[in-house]
Amino acid sequence: SAVISQKPSRDICQRGTSLTIQCQVDSQVTMMFWYRQQPGQSLTLIATANQGSEATYESGFVIDKFPISRPNLTFSTLTVSNMSPEDSSIYLCSVLGLAGPTDTQYFGPGTRLTVL
Amino acid sequence: KQEVTQIPAALSVPEGENLVLNCSFTDSAIYNLQWFRQDPGKGLTSLLLIQSSQREQTSGRLNASLDKSSGRSTLYIAASQPGDSATYLCAVRPTGFQKLVFGTGTRLLVSP
Repeated sequence: SAVISQKPSRDICQRGTSLTIQCQVDSQVTMMFWYRQQPGQSLTLIATANQGSEATYESGFVIDKFPISRPNLTFSTLTVSNMSPEDSSIYLCSVLGLAGPTDTQYFGPGTRLTVL
Repeated sequence: KQEVTQIPAALSVPEGENLVLNCSFTDSAIYNLQWFRQDPGKGLTSLLLIQSSQREQTSGRLNASLDKSSGRSTLYIAASQPGDSATYLCAVRPTGFQKLVFGTGTRLLVSP
């Protein structure tokens, strides 16, 4: 089956610092997505990352706060900048159609972030 | 704006019971609907994908149905087991979009 890995799996950070989360996929994919899951909430899309172009951000999310890189078809990073306790969430990387029907969306194991 | 609701929010059943989880969405213009399970502190595992033209999909003890016109989907779990304990999430892909819109989830506990 598809292999999507994320680093780190969890981290505890201080207010005002930044954390970069890495997502690695074991085969080439066109579109990668970054979702956030706040405590007790469901998932919300932050942005869509396409290789070779700027990421597309959802309403309420901005590039200065969540810069994204997509240097090739198997890798992406999400940075959470100038963190506050409200950024404490699980951040999940996702791709489309990796190892099954092309319309199926697959998720990585997530990065659990706690901001003190 | 598409909104997805799941009922019940939590469900506790004894092992062996058949159960139904419900998902409703406000806009019938969807491309597909996907059911996931999430174990505590973990990522999401895809269970079933139903295209908008389909009525149901089956995988093992799981059966998902879709009534697009009424904005409803159900996930039927047969002969539940303690290993089925997890949060189940329903998500729709609106027509013309690549993103998923998620429901709030149903937290299932199956007791031995």
